[in-house]
Amino acid sequence: DAGVIQSPRHEVTEMGQEVTLRCKPISGHNSLFWYRQTMMRGLELLIYFNNNVPIDDSGMPEDRFSAKMPNASFSTLKIQPSEPRDSAVYFCASSPGASAYNEQFFGPGTRLTVL
Amino acid sequence: GESVGLHLPTLSVQEGDNSIINCAYSNSASDYFIWYKQESGKGPQFIIDIRSNMDKRQGQRVTVLLNKTVKHLSLQIAATQPGDSAVYFCAENIPSGTYKYIFGTGTRLKVLA
Repeated sequence: DAGVIQSPRHEVTEMGQEVTLRCKPISGHNSLFWYRQTMMRGLELLIYFNNNVPIDDSGMPEDRFSAKMPNASFSTLKIQPSEPRDSAVYFCASSPGASAYNEQFFGPGTRLTVL
Repeated sequence: GESVGLHLPTLSVQEGDNSIINCAYSNSASDYFIWYKQESGKGPQFIIDIRSNMDKRQGQRVTVLLNKTVKHLSLQIAATQPGDSAVYFCAENIPSGTYKYIFGTGTRLKVLA
Protein backbone atom coordinates (compact mmCIF):
# COMPACT_ATOMS: atom_id res chain seq x y z
CA ASP A 1 0.00 0.00 0.00
CA ALA A 2 1.26 3.46 -0.84
CA GLY A 3 1.56 5.75 2.10
CA VAL A 4 1.07 9.48 2.02
CA ILE A 5 2.63 10.89 -1.12
CA GLN A 6 4.15 14.34 -1.28
CA SER A 7 5.65 16.26 -4.15
CA PRO A 8 8.06 17.67 -4.81
CA ARG A 9 10.55 16.18 -2.35
CA HIS A 10 12.81 19.18 -2.67
CA GLU A 11 12.05 22.70 -3.83
CA VAL A 12 14.46 25.58 -4.19
CA THR A 13 13.02 28.92 -5.14
CA GLU A 14 13.75 32.59 -4.94
CA MET A 15 12.13 35.03 -2.60
CA GLY A 16 8.90 36.36 -4.00
CA GLN A 17 8.07 33.29 -6.05
CA GLU A 18 4.96 31.21 -5.60
CA VAL A 19 5.44 27.73 -4.19
CA THR A 20 2.90 24.91 -4.33
CA LEU A 21 3.33 21.75 -2.31
CA ARG A 22 1.18 18.73 -3.06
CA CYS A 23 -0.13 15.84 -1.03
CA LYS A 24 -2.04 12.67 -1.73
CA PRO A 25 -3.37 11.12 1.49
CA ILE A 26 -3.81 7.43 2.11
CA SER A 27 -6.94 6.18 0.37
CA GLY A 28 -9.89 6.04 2.74
CA HIS A 29 -8.45 8.49 5.23
CA ASN A 30 -10.73 11.42 5.85
CA SER A 31 -8.46 13.74 7.83
CA LEU A 32 -5.46 15.52 6.35
CA PHE A 33 -2.87 17.64 8.11
CA TRP A 34 -0.15 20.03 6.98
CA TYR A 35 2.84 20.49 9.28
CA ARG A 36 6.00 22.55 9.14
CA GLN A 37 9.25 21.46 10.77
CA THR A 38 12.17 23.75 11.51
CA MET A 39 15.20 23.55 13.74
CA MET A 40 14.02 26.46 15.82
CA ARG A 41 10.36 25.61 16.28
CA GLY A 42 10.17 21.86 15.77
CA LEU A 43 7.01 20.40 14.28
CA GLU A 44 4.01 22.72 14.02
CA LEU A 45 0.52 22.06 12.75
CA LEU A 46 -0.46 24.55 10.07
CA ILE A 47 -3.95 23.39 9.10
CA TYR A 48 -6.06 20.30 9.03
CA PHE A 49 -9.02 19.13 7.00
CA ASN A 50 -11.76 16.67 7.76
CA ASN A 51 -13.81 15.33 4.85
CA ASN A 52 -12.14 17.97 2.63
CA VAL A 53 -13.29 20.84 4.84
CA PRO A 54 -10.73 23.01 6.67
CA ILE A 55 -11.38 22.63 10.38
CA ASP A 56 -8.59 24.58 12.03
CA ASP A 57 -6.20 26.89 10.22
CA SER A 58 -5.00 28.77 13.28
CA GLY A 59 -1.49 27.51 12.69
CA MET A 60 -1.18 29.11 9.26
CA PRO A 61 1.48 31.79 9.75
CA GLU A 62 -0.05 34.54 7.65
CA ASP A 63 -2.06 35.33 4.59
CA ARG A 64 0.78 34.31 2.31
CA PHE A 65 -0.09 30.70 3.15
CA SER A 66 -3.17 28.98 1.81
CA ALA A 67 -4.29 25.37 1.64
CA LYS A 68 -6.95 23.61 -0.35
CA MET A 69 -8.41 20.16 -0.53
CA PRO A 70 -10.55 19.95 -3.66
CA ASN A 71 -11.23 16.24 -3.20
CA ALA A 72 -10.51 13.37 -0.89
CA SER A 73 -7.31 12.38 -2.66
CA PHE A 74 -5.49 15.66 -3.12
CA SER A 75 -4.42 18.71 -1.17
CA THR A 76 -2.15 21.66 -1.84
CA LEU A 77 -0.29 24.10 0.36
CA LYS A 78 0.60 27.33 -1.40
CA ILE A 79 2.94 30.09 -0.35
CA GLN A 80 2.72 33.33 -2.26
CA PRO A 81 4.97 35.23 -2.13
CA SER A 82 7.61 33.04 -0.53
CA GLU A 83 10.20 34.41 1.89
CA PRO A 84 13.49 32.98 3.18
CA ARG A 85 11.95 32.40 6.61
CA ASP A 86 9.55 29.93 4.99
CA SER A 87 12.46 27.55 4.47
CA ALA A 88 11.54 24.35 6.30
CA VAL A 89 10.41 20.80 5.79
CA TYR A 90 6.70 20.58 5.15
CA PHE A 91 4.92 17.37 6.03
CA CYS A 92 1.51 16.16 5.08
CA ALA A 93 -0.19 13.52 7.22
CA SER A 94 -3.47 11.69 6.99
CA SER A 95 -5.63 9.88 9.49
CA PRO A 96 -8.53 7.44 9.16
CA GLY A 97 -10.77 9.30 11.57
CA ALA A 98 -11.73 12.67 12.90
CA SER A 99 -10.70 11.95 16.46
CA ALA A 100 -7.47 13.27 17.93
CA TYR A 101 -6.85 9.69 19.07
CA ASN A 102 -6.50 8.29 15.56
CA GLU A 103 -2.98 7.59 14.37
CA GLN A 104 -1.59 10.05 11.87
CA PHE A 105 0.49 8.74 8.99
CA PHE A 106 3.11 11.15 7.73
CA GLY A 107 4.47 11.58 4.24
CA PRO A 108 8.20 11.90 3.49
CA GLY A 109 8.07 15.68 3.49
CA THR A 110 9.04 18.45 1.10
CA ARG A 111 12.22 20.35 1.90
CA LEU A 112 11.66 23.95 0.85
CA THR A 113 14.53 26.37 0.49
CA VAL A 114 13.74 29.99 -0.28
CA LEU A 115 16.79 31.99 -1.33
CA GLY B 1 17.50 14.39 4.02
CA GLU B 2 14.75 15.87 6.12
CA SER B 3 15.58 15.90 9.80
CA VAL B 4 14.67 17.76 12.92
CA GLY B 5 17.95 19.57 13.43
CA LEU B 6 21.58 19.46 14.40
CA HIS B 7 21.38 20.69 17.98
CA LEU B 8 19.19 18.12 19.62
CA PRO B 9 20.14 16.39 22.85
CA THR B 10 21.74 13.09 21.98
CA LEU B 11 21.56 9.78 23.74
CA SER B 12 24.24 7.26 22.84
CA VAL B 13 23.49 3.66 23.73
CA GLN B 14 25.39 0.45 23.18
CA GLU B 15 23.65 -2.05 20.92
CA GLY B 16 21.72 -4.51 23.04
CA ASP B 17 21.31 -2.15 25.98
CA ASN B 18 18.04 -0.54 26.98
CA SER B 19 17.33 3.08 26.06
CA ILE B 20 15.28 5.58 28.02
CA ILE B 21 14.18 8.78 26.35
CA ASN B 22 12.45 11.43 28.39
CA CYS B 23 9.96 14.14 27.62
CA ALA B 24 8.46 16.88 29.76
CA TYR B 25 5.06 17.96 28.54
CA SER B 26 3.51 21.33 29.01
CA ASN B 27 -0.17 21.11 29.83
CA SER B 28 -1.71 19.33 32.79
CA ALA B 29 -4.98 19.05 30.84
CA SER B 30 -3.39 16.96 28.09
CA ASP B 31 -5.22 13.68 27.77
CA TYR B 32 -3.31 11.76 25.14
CA PHE B 33 0.38 11.31 24.38
CA ILE B 34 2.26 9.86 21.47
CA TRP B 35 5.86 8.93 20.80
CA TYR B 36 7.18 9.34 17.27
CA LYS B 37 10.34 8.13 15.61
CA GLN B 38 11.86 10.13 12.78
CA GLU B 39 14.63 8.68 10.66
CA SER B 40 16.73 10.84 8.41
CA GLY B 41 14.89 11.71 5.22
CA LYS B 42 11.54 10.44 6.46
CA GLY B 43 8.45 11.72 8.14
CA PRO B 44 7.62 11.00 11.78
CA GLN B 45 6.41 7.48 12.43
CA PHE B 46 4.03 6.53 15.22
CA ILE B 47 5.58 4.25 17.82
CA ILE B 48 3.21 4.06 20.75
CA ASP B 49 0.56 6.10 22.48
CA ILE B 50 -0.95 6.36 25.94
CA ARG B 51 -4.02 8.03 27.35
CA SER B 52 -3.95 10.04 30.53
CA ASN B 53 -5.95 7.45 32.47
CA MET B 54 -3.00 5.05 32.20
CA ASP B 55 0.47 5.07 33.74
CA LYS B 56 2.13 2.51 31.52
CA ARG B 57 1.65 0.92 28.16
CA GLN B 58 3.76 -1.71 26.46
CA GLY B 59 4.34 -2.48 22.83
CA GLN B 60 6.83 -4.59 21.03
CA ARG B 61 10.20 -3.75 22.65
CA VAL B 62 8.85 -0.36 23.70
CA THR B 63 7.20 0.85 26.89
CA VAL B 64 5.79 4.29 27.59
CA LEU B 65 5.51 5.56 31.15
CA LEU B 66 3.39 8.53 32.12
CA ASN B 67 3.80 10.49 35.32
CA LYS B 68 1.07 13.08 35.46
CA THR B 69 2.21 14.46 38.79
CA VAL B 70 5.36 15.89 37.28
CA LYS B 71 4.12 16.01 33.67
CA HIS B 72 6.74 13.57 32.46
CA LEU B 73 6.68 10.96 29.76
CA SER B 74 9.34 8.39 28.99
CA LEU B 75 9.97 5.91 26.22
CA GLN B 76 11.89 2.78 27.00
CA ILE B 77 13.34 0.71 24.19
CA ALA B 78 14.51 -2.76 25.12
CA ALA B 79 17.55 -4.36 23.51
CA THR B 80 18.32 -1.34 21.36
CA GLN B 81 19.22 -2.14 17.78
CA PRO B 82 21.06 -0.14 15.08
CA GLY B 83 17.73 0.38 13.33
CA ASP B 84 16.51 2.29 16.37
CA SER B 85 18.89 5.15 15.59
CA ALA B 86 16.66 8.14 14.89
CA VAL B 87 15.18 11.25 16.45
CA TYR B 88 12.41 10.56 18.94
CA PHE B 89 9.88 13.08 20.08
CA CYS B 90 6.73 13.12 22.08
CA ALA B 91 3.46 14.84 21.38
CA GLU B 92 0.63 15.77 23.72
CA ASN B 93 -2.97 16.37 22.84
CA ILE B 94 -4.74 19.20 24.60
CA PRO B 95 -8.49 18.46 24.53
CA SER B 96 -10.10 21.41 22.86
CA GLY B 97 -12.72 20.00 20.52
CA THR B 98 -10.14 19.96 17.78
CA TYR B 99 -6.67 18.61 17.12
CA LYS B 100 -4.15 20.37 19.28
CA TYR B 101 -1.00 18.31 19.26
CA ILE B 102 2.02 19.96 20.83
CA PHE B 103 5.27 18.36 19.78
CA GLY B 104 8.45 18.20 21.78
CA THR B 105 11.76 19.14 20.24
CA GLY B 106 13.16 15.63 20.18
CA THR B 107 16.10 13.51 21.28
CA ARG B 108 18.56 11.94 18.91
CA LEU B 109 19.28 8.29 19.70
CA LYS B 110 22.60 6.90 18.49
CA VAL B 111 23.14 3.18 18.75
CA LEU B 112 26.78 2.19 19.05
CA ALA B 113 27.85 -1.14 17.59
